[in-house]
Amino acid sequence: EAGVTQFPSHSVIEKGQTVTLRCDPISGHDNLYWYRRVMGKEIKFLLHFVKESKQDESGMPNNRFLAERTGGTYSTLKVQPAELEDSGVYFCASSQDPLGEQYFGPGTRLTVT
Amino acid sequence: AQSVTQPDIHITVSEGASLELRCNYSYGATPYLFWYVQSPGQGLQLLLKYFSGDTLVQGIKGFEAEFKRSQSSFNLRKPSVHWSDAAEYFCAVGIGGYNKLIFGAGTRLAVHP
Repeated sequence: EAGVTQFPSHSVIEKGQTVTLRCDPISGHDNLYWYRRVMGKEIKFLLHFVKESKQDESGMPNNRFLAERTGGTYSTLKVQPAELEDSGVYFCASSQDPLGEQYFGPGTRLTVT
Repeated sequence: AQSVTQPDIHITVSEGASLELRCNYSYGATPYLFWYVQSPGQGLQLLLKYFSGDTLVQGIKGFEAEFKRSQSSFNLRKPSVHWSDAAEYFCAVGIGGYNKLIFGAGTRLAVHP
């Protein structure tokens, strides 16, 4: 069984540009989470999907971030326009049920210059 | 507010030595507690979790953790460290009905031969 995959593994963009991160959860996992780790600090929750619905987006930093999960399968996280402070590692995780183990992807390292 | 504290940013131990990584949490209700490990280039892997019941929980790779409610702690232990245990370790609290994870800042473990 394939694990959670994320694409790209690393992205370098200039301030003001747009970047889209993709996450493919484990097949059959309705719950999908995005987290972010900035500058070696804590990993912080961004949002939680159940199927295609956003259940909790309380961790989204601002309206420059847009997450979608069309069809309840893969998810994208778009940053537009990117700012320097958006640099960090973005993790995606999925779980079969809400209280089940969250399986994490390897992360996407975003560098904004 | 909910928070997780990992007091040790870096720890170095000799191979074969015992290990204890500290974790303290702040959460008003009964917590769901987790330890994750991240090896270089990998995603976060769940080592063990505590939901209820026996306060001493066993995990993978020979790790165990003890939940102490009176001390708000969930320290991770291993009796004999192997070189392959060198990684970054994260303690987390799961809150809400869907385990929104609140992470500590992580402890980076180095193992000397």
